Amino acid sequence: KAGVTQTPRYLIKTRGQQVTLSCSPISGHRSVSWYQQTPGQGLQFLFEYFSETQRNKGNFPGRFSGRQFSNSRSEMNVSTLELGDSALYLCASSPWGSGGGGEQFFGPGTRLTVL
Amino acid sequence: AQSVTQLDSHVSVSEGTPVLLRCNYSSSYSPSLFWYVQHPNKGLQLLLKYTSAATLVKGINGFEAEFKKSETSFHLTKPSAHMSDAAEYFCVVSDRGDDKIIFGKGTRLHILP
Repeated sequence: KAGVTQTPRYLIKTRGQQVTLSCSPISGHRSVSWYQQTPGQGLQFLFEYFSETQRNKGNFPGRFSGRQFSNSRSEMNVSTLELGDSALYLCASSPWGSGGGGEQFFGPGTRLTVL
Repeated sequence: AQSVTQLDSHVSVSEGTPVLLRCNYSSSYSPSLFWYVQHPNKGLQLLLKYTSAATLVKGINGFEAEFKKSETSFHLTKPSAHMSDAAEYFCVVSDRGDDKIIFGKGTRLHILP
């Protein structure tokens, strides 16, 4: 089975712009979670989608949004970019969801740099 | 409520010596516990998981962890460190009665030649 793929792998944007990141989960996985990873804050949970519905949400401003399509692929959007949004954005998929004791499978991440 | 604490942000060991990365957790239900490893500029890879079977869990690359309910700990060990083990390690807790998964802040493992 192919693993979790994320595109693009690297992205450079300027303040005020918006960005869309994409994640394709492992075939058959219905849950996709997104995380932001920075040196200062570590790994922080953004949100989880399961069967096209947002199931959990972390403590991030409304500039961060996401969606999931019927084929389980997910996109994450960040509007009005700020310097502090520079981070590695990780996507993880699982068959049944991030909670409930199941493991997650991570993609390689998208490195976003905001100038 | 769940929480996980990785007791060391950095650990340095010499190649060939044992590795110990410490993790304490709290959980209201029956926890599942995981250790993930992240090499530089890569995603996270599952090392091992505990899901209420054997308390001593063996993972990939010679790592193992022991679930100790009385101490609420799930420490990660390896008998002999290798240079390729240099990475960041995350302890993770997930309750089977809950929808949430909680990551520790990570422990960066340095291997000295």
